[in-house]
Parts: sequence; structure tokens; C-alpha cells
Amino acid sequence: GQNIDQPTEMTATEGAIVQINCTYQTSGFNGLFWYQQHAGEAPTFLSYNVLDGLEEKGRFSSFLSRSKGYSYLLLKELQMKDSASYLCAVRDSNYQLIWGAGTKLIIKP
Amino acid sequence: IAGITQAPTSQILAAGRRMTLRCTQDMRHNAMYWYRQDLGLGLRLIHYSNTAGTTGKGEVPDGYSVSRANTDDFPLTLASAVPSQTSVYFCASSETSGSTGELFFGEGSRLTVL
Repeated sequence: GQNIDQPTEMTATEGAIVQINCTYQTSGFNGLFWYQQHAGEAPTFLSYNVLDGLEEKGRFSSFLSRSKGYSYLLLKELQMKDSASYLCAVRDSNYQLIWGAGTKLIIKP
Repeated sequence: IAGITQAPTSQILAAGRRMTLRCTQDMRHNAMYWYRQDLGLGLRLIHYSNTAGTTGKGEVPDGYSVSRANTDDFPLTLASAVPSQTSVYFCASSETSGSTGELFFGEGSRLTVL
């Protein structure tokens, strides 16, 4: 079966750095996405990786290793507004998205 | 503002009733999707449409139907609602060529079936 694993919840301090991991086992691979979802709101797109390596976008970076079935989302200089759930999703060989359950990130002052 | 509009935002429904959740996009995206989101679970695909006039079944299609008469609209119908269909429903769209294909989501429809 297809599976995406990510931690259920993480806590970090304002101004610090946090890394949210995602491991996947899917039928084929056609890209990995990270989305941010604030409570009661819709998910919004953060990043996309299809090749191995690091993609940087401001305070957010996303890393992919296809051989290890592994990705992480790195958030730097954490702000209170970064408190949200972070969803990892993989596009499989049928171009369907397989979603993780999300990681709830709690930022403390 | 361009995007996806869902209606209603929230609805309480008696079991056995028929309900249609509406979804309209103005981005001219080819593909549209309906997901449900339940606590502790990832987004689960109900139905999708790769282009106007075609639809397909997702992971959890039972009890739901969709239609795609044109590019902009993709309504989701619950023929006879059951309590297990209590959930938050998200409509999404994406461009399927020349881009990463990221999804753009509507604000969600919170449905409670009693």
C-alpha cells in the first residue's frame, strides 16, 4: 500500500529553526509537495520537489532524497504566524496525490 | 480576486437528506478535485475531473457523485447523507500542463450529518 508518514505534532520556540520530516512509500514518484494549513482554513502551497536536493524559498526550505523516500521542510526564524499544520503529499505514478495526515506545529514565545 | 469559491461554508443536515456542495473556479484550470478532511487523517480524494466532461473516482467515492458540465463548476452531491459523511470538504483545482501542478483550494465546506 501507499503510505506517507510525518510526526503528528511538534513544538518549537519563536525565532528558532524546526525541521519537519516526511517519509513515503508510494507506487512511483512524480514530485513531492508541502502545504501549510492554518486551523479552520484551506491548505496553501509551500513548495515542490521533484529532483534530489534542497529548494529554498525565503524562510522555508524543502529537501528531497528519492532513494531514501524522504523529505523535510525546514522553517527558519520561526514566527508565531507559522503555527499551523504542515501537510506532505506525494504524486504517484498515476499522477494522484497521496497525503500525509499532517504535522501540527506549535510555536511558543 | 481569482480563486475557488465553495458554498455553503457550513451546513447541518439530517440523515437521509440530499445535499449538493457547490464549487466554482475562475482560473480556467483543467483539473478539479473534491477531498474530505477528517481529524487525524490525511486529505482523502472523493472524486476528480481532469477536464470538462470527464470525472473519475478517488479513494472514497461511495455515497458521492459529481458532474463537470463546464470548466468552472464541479458540484459534489450526497444522494442520501449519513453521519459518517460528517467532515470538512475541500474543492481544489490545478493546471495539469506546464506547471508543477500544485493544488489551489477553496475555503472548505463544513458538513454535519445528524
